[in-house]
Amino acid sequence: SAVISQKPSRDICQRGTSLTIQCQVDSQVTMMFWYRQQPGQSLTLIATANQGSEATYESGFVIDKFPISRPNLTFSTLTVSNMSPEDSSIYLCSVEAPGQTNTGELFFGEGSRLTVL
Amino acid sequence: AQSVTQPDIHITVSEGASLELRCNYSYGATPYLFWYVQSPGQGLQLLLKYFSGDTLVQGIKGFEAEFKRSQSSFNLRKPSVHWSDAAEYFCAAYQAGTALIFGKGTTLSVSS
Repeated sequence: SAVISQKPSRDICQRGTSLTIQCQVDSQVTMMFWYRQQPGQSLTLIATANQGSEATYESGFVIDKFPISRPNLTFSTLTVSNMSPEDSSIYLCSVEAPGQTNTGELFFGEGSRLTVL
Repeated sequence: AQSVTQPDIHITVSEGASLELRCNYSYGATPYLFWYVQSPGQGLQLLLKYFSGDTLVQGIKGFEAEFKRSQSSFNLRKPSVHWSDAAEYFCAAYQAGTALIFGKGTTLSVSS
């Protein structure tokens, strides 16, 4: 298994500001995934972050709004830029299960719950 | 387009009663299938997975799921529900080269 720590666990932010969420994994992983879970909704993949290359964004998500860093094999950050109330969501970091490359089996952090006023 | 459907938004079950949560998928070929649970304020925890082989898979916490190709379904079951099972349950599907796709979730409430 993998242990994933996210910071902050929750935050209340003002409209127009930006917030960076950190994700730390207890083992080296190739890919890290960032998901968004809007209130009462399912999880939607924002982007996939590989170490040493630019993140790959899903349709509907852009780098200017959700810049991602992946400086090493155990750490990643997601920034939510110029926030609006519509960005109020839980943001979850996830990694592939060890030894389960390209199977879709993921471990998740506890999420970062953002509320934008 | 690929999709995962959980027809039941909210289910209430009496403690000790049996449980079945429904999940249907729409893919060109059979994907890998998963059930995750999300307790309040927590991240997602994998309950069980189906890659191939035996269509009845066992998971953690006494859960099992049955894959039925003819119905494109992967329903989650538990013979006797405990109050601690109250949570949000997500079915998910994966095919190589695509993202893991989640259903909209089913909220399980357990009554005493």
